[in-house]
Amino acid sequence: ELKVEQNPLFLSMQEGKNYTIYCNYSTTSDRLYWYRQDPGKSLESLFVLLSNGAVKQEGRLMASLDTKARLSTLHITAAVHDLSATYFCAVNFGNEKLTFGTGTRLTIIP
Amino acid sequence: ETGVTQSPTHLIKTRGQQVTLRCSSQSGHNTVSWYQQALGQGPQFIFQYYREEENGRGNFPPRFSGLQFPNYSSELNVNALELDDSALYLCASSPEGGRYIQYFGAGTRLSVL
Repeated sequence: ELKVEQNPLFLSMQEGKNYTIYCNYSTTSDRLYWYRQDPGKSLESLFVLLSNGAVKQEGRLMASLDTKARLSTLHITAAVHDLSATYFCAVNFGNEKLTFGTGTRLTIIP
Repeated sequence: ETGVTQSPTHLIKTRGQQVTLRCSSQSGHNTVSWYQQALGQGPQFIFQYYREEENGRGNFPPRFSGLQFPNYSSELNVNALELDDSALYLCASSPEGGRYIQYFGAGTRLSVL
């Protein structure tokens, strides 16, 4: 059974600081997704990572994938309040069937 | 805007009742997946439909069932509702050759009393 673990579960950061969210998964997969969810809202797609060593960046967010270590990271640079949300990683187990991590609730403090 | 529409937005039912949730995808989106997201947790895969056939199922009992229609709409049916079925239900659709992109709807929040 594919398991996906994220840490930390909760993260409180000051504006302007950098931090990293970690996503570990238990079995081989060919792609990994990062999503953002605001309270009471649906999932917003951030990144799709397809291969070992893949790195994608959008604004202050950068995601990377190490398939050998079964590890993905989401790095936040110079955090701003608008980034406050819950972030999920999700691993594909076949034809876009996804197993999601537990989520990281990120709060940016002014 | 993802082009995936779910209805209703909110729903309140009592234990033992049955419920039908609906999802409308964009034209050409032949794959639709349903997820259950309990409060404070990540979404859990319920099942997937491809071209109107079930194409995989998660760890959910048979009282969760689904249908997909030729017009790119789909349904999630839950019989004999239990309190633990209270959750946000999300559908996600993918086009043929969609380059691994899934589009999520806004979800239906179901409360079972």
